[in-house]
Amino acid sequence: NAGVTQTPKFQVLKTGQSMTLQCAQDMNHEYMSWYRQDPGMGLRLIHYSVGAGITDQGEVPNGYNVSRSTTEDFPLRLLSAAPSQTSVYFCASSYYTGTSANTGELFFGEGSRLTVL
Amino acid sequence: SQQGEEDPQALSIQEGENATMNCSYKTSINNLQWYRQNSGRGLVHLILIRSNEREKHSGRLRVTLDTSKKSSSLLITASRAADTASYFCATDSGWGKLQFGAGTQVVVTP
Repeated sequence: NAGVTQTPKFQVLKTGQSMTLQCAQDMNHEYMSWYRQDPGMGLRLIHYSVGAGITDQGEVPNGYNVSRSTTEDFPLRLLSAAPSQTSVYFCASSYYTGTSANTGELFFGEGSRLTVL
Repeated sequence: SQQGEEDPQALSIQEGENATMNCSYKTSINNLQWYRQNSGRGLVHLILIRSNEREKHSGRLRVTLDTSKKSSSLLITASRAADTASYFCATDSGWGKLQFGAGTQVVVTP
């Protein structure tokens, strides 16, 4: 199994450009999420999804869009890139028990390093 | 704001010593999880402790949870150089919202 796959691994954008970070998992996990990691800040939750067709905002959603049309894929779209979005982005997936609202251990991708000039 | 806060921010020990780090959080949780991140890599899950559990072990790892104090601790016994990494706690407050702390950087010297 590949687990969680993120593409691209590295990307340089100019201010105002848009792009999509791709995330795919092959573990049939209901839960998927996007985090950004900045020095000294730990991981901050951007958006998450508890199943196909369901998405919700995390702590820092502004400037990002997501959709979940399939169980496997959860792309993150930057609408108009800004230097403040320079960061390392991680996608993660997990099982999710809807009845008890519990999320299990997260499986992470290797990260996408984005620089906005 | 972040739900979990780790303490200390950095920890330097010698091989064979024990490493202890703490995590405090603000709201009620379903479970608390600990992760390790090696430099430049993704995070790897270490252990999950549910809100009705007080202690859990996995190999050289021991995790405690005190829900009355809203705190957890991770103990790594007999540290090895390979344990050098950043360690993060993550709290699950339900409905898919897992939030991470800023992490503890651990350096284990031979």
